[in-house]
Amino acid sequence: NAGVTQTPKFRVLKTGQSMTLLCAQDMNHEYMYWYRQDPGMGLRLIHYSVGEGTTAKGEVPDGYNVSRLKKQNFLLGLESAAPSQTSVYFCASSSAQGLTEAFFGQGTRLTVV
Amino acid sequence: GENVEQHPSTLSVQEGDSAVIKCTYSDSASNYFPWYKQELGKGPQLIIDIRSNVGEKKDQRIAVTLNKTAKHFSLHITETQPEDSAVYFCAASDSGGYQKVTFGTGTKLQVIP
Repeated sequence: NAGVTQTPKFRVLKTGQSMTLLCAQDMNHEYMYWYRQDPGMGLRLIHYSVGEGTTAKGEVPDGYNVSRLKKQNFLLGLESAAPSQTSVYFCASSSAQGLTEAFFGQGTRLTVV
Repeated sequence: GENVEQHPSTLSVQEGDSAVIKCTYSDSASNYFPWYKQELGKGPQLIIDIRSNVGEKKDQRIAVTLNKTAKHFSLHITETQPEDSAVYFCAASDSGGYQKVTFGTGTKLQVIP
């Protein structure tokens, strides 16, 4: 009953470094999403995927890239981290479009110094 | 685009009292309205949702109401318990659009024993 699993849970990066956040779901969901959560701003969509091999931009995609090579995995990459990317990142998956009946991971707290 | 406003940002109630959180949305095309509970250090968890063809939905101590004409929806928690303390997010979605999900800014609910 893992649901949606994110790795790592915490990370500190120096400005300019790169990293990849991994999201894995075991519910055979077609739709996967990456959000960032900042104080007082709710959740904002970075990128999303409607199926294996597909990705699309969300509300705040700049500075991020994603890949969905396998249905169960959705990777979020930061090529050159900036302090403005300090945030808590959440992955979600759903069986239906529009985030209906979605499940979220536990989050990744990223600090860029 | 869609704009979701959520009030209040913080709410303190005595254990056993009721709590009400209100959201308004701007896009009349939105037709799915989920509510999420986020406990400290965890990802958001769907607690109840409502679709635009329904005016009210209940699940034990929680209920959601929707007024399509006024474009607002509310979460009602009765007989509050300390474990209800968390941040609650509303969202509005046009289930026909993968990226058209907009979250409110959250309400921090504190239930005082």
